[in-house]
Parts: sequence; C-alpha cells; structure tokens
Amino acid sequence: GQQVMQIPQYQHVQEGEDFTTYCNSSTTLSNIQWYKQRPGGHPVFLIQLVKSGEVKKQKRLTFQFGEAKKNSSLHITATQTTDVGTYFCAGRGTSGTYKYIFGTGTRLKVLA
Amino acid sequence: DARVTQTPRHKVTEMGQEVTMRCQPILGHNTVFWYRQTMMQGLELLAYFRNRAPLDDSGMPKDRFSAEMPDATLATLKIQPSEPRDSAVYFCASGSRTSEAFFGQGTRLTVV
Repeated sequence: GQQVMQIPQYQHVQEGEDFTTYCNSSTTLSNIQWYKQRPGGHPVFLIQLVKSGEVKKQKRLTFQFGEAKKNSSLHITATQTTDVGTYFCAGRGTSGTYKYIFGTGTRLKVLA
Repeated sequence: DARVTQTPRHKVTEMGQEVTMRCQPILGHNTVFWYRQTMMQGLELLAYFRNRAPLDDSGMPKDRFSAEMPDATLATLKIQPSEPRDSAVYFCASGSRTSEAFFGQGTRLTVV
C-alpha cells in the first residue's frame, strides 16, 4: 500500500535559523497537502499542491512538489517560536481515491 | 465559525467496555474521515465516508471497531470491546471533494 515518509523526524533550531522537512511517497501522488499540528492541538491545513514542480509560498513558508509527484518539501525561513509544532504532509493517490495518507511528521522545536 | 465537533473530548474506560465517539462534520461537507494518532504510529486513517457511504475502512481492526454515519450530521466510531492498545487520540475530519480536511479537536481515549 501507499506509504508516506518524512525526514527528519525531529528538528531543533535556534530562532532565526531556517528549517526544511522532506516528504517522500512510495507511489505517485495526484496531489499533496501540508498540515501543522501544535502541541496538544489538531492538524490544521496549510496548503495543497497539485501540479508537477509546483512551488507555493506563504510568507516565510515555501512548499514544493517534485517533478515526479512523489516527493515534496516545506521550507521555513527565519524560524520563529510560533513555528513550533509537527508538520505533516498528506498524499492522495492517483486511483481516484479520496483518502489522504499522512506522512510520519516532523516535530519542530525552536529555541529562543 | 464552522468547525468539526467531536465528543467526548476525553474518555477513560476500563478494558472490555464499549466506547462510542461522535463527530459532527461541517455542514455541507460530504466526506468524513476517522484518524487515530499515537506516538508510535502517527496519524493512521481508520475509515472514511463519502455522502454517508463507507468507502474505505481497511485501516480499521474489523473485529472490534465499527464506523457509521446514521445521517449527514453525525458520524460514530465504536470500539467493542476496548483494549489498552486502543489508547490514542481519535480525530474526525470532514471535507468536500479534494479540498482540505478540517479536523475536530479529537477524543483522547485511555483504556485501563
């Protein structure tokens, strides 16, 4: 079955440093979504990528979808303490399914 | 402010007891997901419904878990009998077509 892995599993950065998490799917995806979960909270949608090679930006966050539509990345520039949380990618397969398989997540800690 | 509502927020029960978790999806959303989150397994998709019909419950242990949507405003997830290994946070999420999933705040289940 479809598997979605993320690296790294954990990342500690100093405030102001950049951060990147990578998402890799075992199968080609039709689209990919990114979510953020604060400690003790629930996943909150950040963005959806659909096209091969697509790049989208939200302020300090840059999201990229790979050319083969099997991988994706999230890059945060100049992290802030408000960026703390776990970042998940969620991929949807190409078989017409509506379900999204969540990646393993990357837990980000930002040290002030 | 439209939101997914889950009840109860917390549940502590003894092994062998039946547990029922409820979810009210956002009005107008026709896709409902049940996810389970643990430290070890991350976010696992248990089941999902589209237009109240179960489309995929392959992630759910069939012998003890059941998921239903009696009507468009209510989704339920039952565990009978419950076991300590079922302790986790159970999230319900709703969405429409391939839009983002809106998560509820979750039910934290502890089986002792």
